[in-house]
Amino acid sequence: GENVEQHPSTLSVQEGDSAVIKCTYSDSASNYFPWYKQELGKRPQLIIDIRSNVGEKKDQRIAVTLNKTAKHFSLHITETQPEDSAVYFCAASRDGNNRLAFGKGNQVVVIP
Amino acid sequence: GAGVSQSPRYKVAKRGQDVALRCDPISGHVSLFWYQQALGQGPEFLTYFQNEAQLDKSGLPSDRFFAERPEGSVSTLKIQRTQQEDSAVYLCASTSNNSPLHFGNGTRLTVT
Repeated sequence: GENVEQHPSTLSVQEGDSAVIKCTYSDSASNYFPWYKQELGKRPQLIIDIRSNVGEKKDQRIAVTLNKTAKHFSLHITETQPEDSAVYFCAASRDGNNRLAFGKGNQVVVIP
Repeated sequence: GAGVSQSPRYKVAKRGQDVALRCDPISGHVSLFWYQQALGQGPEFLTYFQNEAQLDKSGLPSDRFFAERPEGSVSTLKIQRTQQEDSAVYLCASTSNNSPLHFGNGTRLTVT
C-alpha cells in the first residue's frame, strides 16, 4: 500500500518567516494530495489540496507544490503567524478521499 | 449546517469490554470514513461506506472491529473485547461528490 513520510518532524520558525514541509510518497498511482492542519485536541481540517494534473496551487499564504517524478510534494506557508502553530499532516491516495494514507505529521511552532 | 458529530467524546473501557462509537455525518453526505489516530501519529484508514454499503473494510485491524451504517446516515464503530492497543482517537469523516473531507472531533478511547 501507499507509504507517506514527512520531514522534518518538528519545525520552529520566527513569526513572519516562511515554513516549508516536505512529504514523500511511494505509490506512483497516487493522484490526490491534501494537507490537513490539526490543533491540539481538535479535528484535522483541510487547508489545501492538489491533484496530479497540477504542479502548484496557491491560496493566500499557503501553497503546495507537487513533483510527480520524484514523488514528493511540499507545503509552503509564508508570513507565518502564531495561529499557524499546529500539527500538519500530508496525505495521498489513488482515489480522491477514499483510503487516504497520512504521514505522521509535522509539529510547526511559530515563535512570536 | 452542523458538522460531523461524534459521541461519546471520551470513553474509558476496561480491557475485555465492548464499546460502540457513534458518528453523525453531515446531512446528505454519501461517503463516510472511519480513521484511527494513535497518539503522535497520523490518522490510519479503517473503513469506508457509500450510503449503507461498506465498500472497503481493509483497514480494520482485527475481527474485533465492526462498523455499520444501516440506513446510510448514522454509523457505529463497534470494538469487541477491547485491548490496550485499541486506545486511540477514532475519527469519523464524511464527504459528498469529492468535496473536501470533513472530520468530526473524534472519540478518545482509553482502555485500562
